[in-house]
Formats: sequence, C-alpha cells, structure tokens
Amino acid sequence: EVQLVESGGGLVQPGGSLRLSCATSGFTFRGSWMSWVRQAPGKGLEWVANINREGSETYYVDSVKGRFSISRDNAENSLFLQMNSLRAEDTAVYYCVHNSGWRFGYWGQGTLVTVSS
Amino acid sequence: QSALTQPASVSGSPGQSITISCTGTSSDVGAYNYVSWYQQQPGKAPKLMIYDVSKRPSGVSSRFSGSKSGNTASLTISGLLAEDEADYYCGSYTTGSTAWVFGGGTKLTVL
Repeated sequence: EVQLVESGGGLVQPGGSLRLSCATSGFTFRGSWMSWVRQAPGKGLEWVANINREGSETYYVDSVKGRFSISRDNAENSLFLQMNSLRAEDTAVYYCVHNSGWRFGYWGQGTLVTVSS
Repeated sequence: QSALTQPASVSGSPGQSITISCTGTSSDVGAYNYVSWYQQQPGKAPKLMIYDVSKRPSGVSSRFSGSKSGNTASLTISGLLAEDEADYYCGSYTTGSTAWVFGGGTKLTVL
C-alpha cells in the first residue's frame, strides 16, 4: 500500500521558516519524481515544486522561487520542503505527491501551514 | 485566478450524466495530452480519476471518462451516484515557467 505522511506544519509568523517532511512507503521512492502541491483554505490546488529522482533537478512555481527549497533523501524514502521568508499568502494545506508519469498519482493527507502574526 | 478555467458548479440527478469542462491554452491543455482530473471529497486529499486525457487508473469506475478537443478538456461522469458529490479539479503540464497548472475546481452536487 502506498503511503505518504507529511509532518512539520504549524503556525509561523510572517518572515519565519518551516521545514516540511514527507515519509513514504509502498513504492520505489528513488525511482520517482516527487512534488509538493498546496491548497489555500477554501481555494483550489496549486503546484509548488517538484524534484527528479536523483534530486539533481528542481522546479518551482514563480511565487516561491528563492524562498522555498525542495529536497529528498532516497536512503530514507523522504521528501522535504524548506520554506523561508513565509508570507500570509503561503497559508495552505501542503500535500506531498508522487508523480506517476505526467500526473499526480498518490497524495498524502496534507499538513497545514498557517502564516500569521 | 487559476490558469485553467472550470465552471464553479454543476449538478445532476442520480443516474444522469454530467460533463465538466476545463479550458486552457495552446501552452498547456492544447499542447500536450497530459490532462488529468482529481476528485476531492470534503476534508480529504485529492484522488486521481483520469490521466493522459482519457486513461483511468486501476480501481476507478468506468463511469468516469475524459476527452479533449483543442484547448478544452472534459470529464464526464455517467450514472451519477450520491457518492460522486465532490470537488473536481483538472490539471495539465504546461510549457510556461510553471510546470503544472490546475483549474479552479468544480463543485458537483448530486440532487
């Protein structure tokens, strides 16, 4: 059974930092592209970032470039998202997602990040 | 404002068929056959229902089907069931600086 379990969300002040983690099992992590997708309260989905199998290529939505960094540890089957200089508009549920070909095949349950003073 | 345009809501009665449209541009929906559809029940994570325009993952009911014409993709649900009531999102790969784009979501109400 495929499992993706996010952690690390919480309340942070504007300008602060958070590091999200995603523990995975049930599939060949080192053979998979991975993504982070977020959903602001009551809003739609927004792709945030993705990373290739080796961790050597990363891509970001324009609004987080220079502030967020996606990384992975293939030995630990884990995905990470380092978020710096957080803004109110970054408030959202962040989902860890397994890329299957050109689609988002499996999703975690999400972790809520709230940026507020 | 989302990159892909979906109707905010659609509705249908049990047993009927409904279609949700997803309109993009020649840089995303029209450029690739990489349109996918996701179902999201309240308080839950999205679930992949259709990928590569018209393919169904294992375990997804054959009542769900997808198609594309030009810059517009469509999701059709036939034989509506109460359990189909959910939000539906389309997504597509894009040539733009953002690698992936989604629609704003469509709330399906089963009357």
